[in-house]
Amino acid sequence: AQSVSQHNHHVILSEAASLELGCNYSYGGTVNLFWYVQYPGQHLQLLLKYFSGDPLVKGIKGFEAEFIKSKFSFNLRKPSVQWSDTAEYFCAANTGRRALTFGSGTRLQVQP
Amino acid sequence: SAVISQKPSRDICQRGTSLTIQCQVDSQVTMMFWYRQQPGQSLTLIATANQGSEATYESGFVIDKFPISRPNLTFSTLTVSNMSPEDSSIYLCSAEEGGGETQYFGPGTRLLVL
Repeated sequence: AQSVSQHNHHVILSEAASLELGCNYSYGGTVNLFWYVQYPGQHLQLLLKYFSGDPLVKGIKGFEAEFIKSKFSFNLRKPSVQWSDTAEYFCAANTGRRALTFGSGTRLQVQP
Repeated sequence: SAVISQKPSRDICQRGTSLTIQCQVDSQVTMMFWYRQQPGQSLTLIATANQGSEATYESGFVIDKFPISRPNLTFSTLTVSNMSPEDSSIYLCSAEEGGGETQYFGPGTRLLVL
């Protein structure tokens, strides 16, 4: 069955620290990968996406993610987090024009 | 990116009643989806709603409980029928960007069933 796993459920960092959130997927065939962010009280926003091509994708607000096919991973990174990055982060995947399968989410708390 | 609105944004309902949630997209889209996000959990797909055909439901969700309409390419409704406290959740509508594979989400409807 198709699945997406996020192993970090709650991450606490200080401002300026580097961030890496793990995401692994279990899909057959070609897969599209996404990271969404949900700021407190706000709706889901797309951070970045990978369909094909360069495995290192850059998104909004300084985030990037790397697709490593051999590891079935799509980890999210940011070199220096800010307090405003406090949010819940969801990794998701689909194949073609289909509904998304979401990971369980990672709550990031950035302390000033 | 598609802009999606939902109504109502939140509601408190009594057990046994039904609530219809509306989802409006600012552009024509082929595929729309309904998800549920239970407190403290991730998003779970309820159904896929394509214009001109019956909605396709995921395992554990049935049409009698969650009837869906999709009358045109910019609008869909989800009804939560015969509600119980277990239906208390955030219900989210999403739409696939025209011709693409990226989904954008509405702000959600926060439902509390007493």
